[in-house]
Amino acid sequence: DVKVTQSSRYLVKRTGEKVFLECVQDMDHENMFWYRQDPGLGLRLIYFSYDVKMKEKGDIPEGYSVSREKKERFSLILESASTNQTSMYLCASSSGSLWEQYFGPGTRLTVT
Amino acid sequence: AQSVTQLGSHVSVSEGALVLLRCNYSSSVPPYLFWYVQYPNQGLQLLLKYTTGATLVKGINGFEAEFKKSETSFHLTKPSAHMSDAAEYFCAVRAGGSAGKSTFGDGTTLTVKP
Repeated sequence: DVKVTQSSRYLVKRTGEKVFLECVQDMDHENMFWYRQDPGLGLRLIYFSYDVKMKEKGDIPEGYSVSREKKERFSLILESASTNQTSMYLCASSSGSLWEQYFGPGTRLTVT
Repeated sequence: AQSVTQLGSHVSVSEGALVLLRCNYSSSVPPYLFWYVQYPNQGLQLLLKYTTGATLVKGINGFEAEFKKSETSFHLTKPSAHMSDAAEYFCAVRAGGSAGKSTFGDGTTLTVKP
């Protein structure tokens, strides 16, 4: 079974803090994704990566950056957290030859 | 460009009744279509997928979906709802390009009444 893990289930940070969300997958998938999920807005893609050190912006990259130094790990960075970044963050991975995505359990981030 | 429309943000059925969740898509490439389920405070889990071949696809937990190209639809059904089916359901279509991206619908919350 594919397993995608995220470093925290719940996180509370203060405005202006630098926040790191970590995601690790164990199936040697090429592609990894970060989404945020808000009520009524569905899933919105923040960034994705299709190879080590390769990344592309998604639909809402502003205020975020990412890092992929190893194939299995994809990090989302909030350089200076703001209250409007309070959300559920979901990480996912997929194989290059298959299109279905495997999701982690999510990190519920609250910025106060 | 690809897009997905899920008709009805909330659907309520009685236990034992038919479940029908609607999904329409548009795609500039041959569509690969997916249904995912999300239980409270969890990530999304793949229910079923259509890529090529048989247009009626069966998934986990008794769900199935039929790809209808002429109607650009991929509706999700289950003959008899169970209380444990209460969740949010997302339809998705593969985006163009090779990076495995998908475009997701806004989701449909299924409530099952006893």
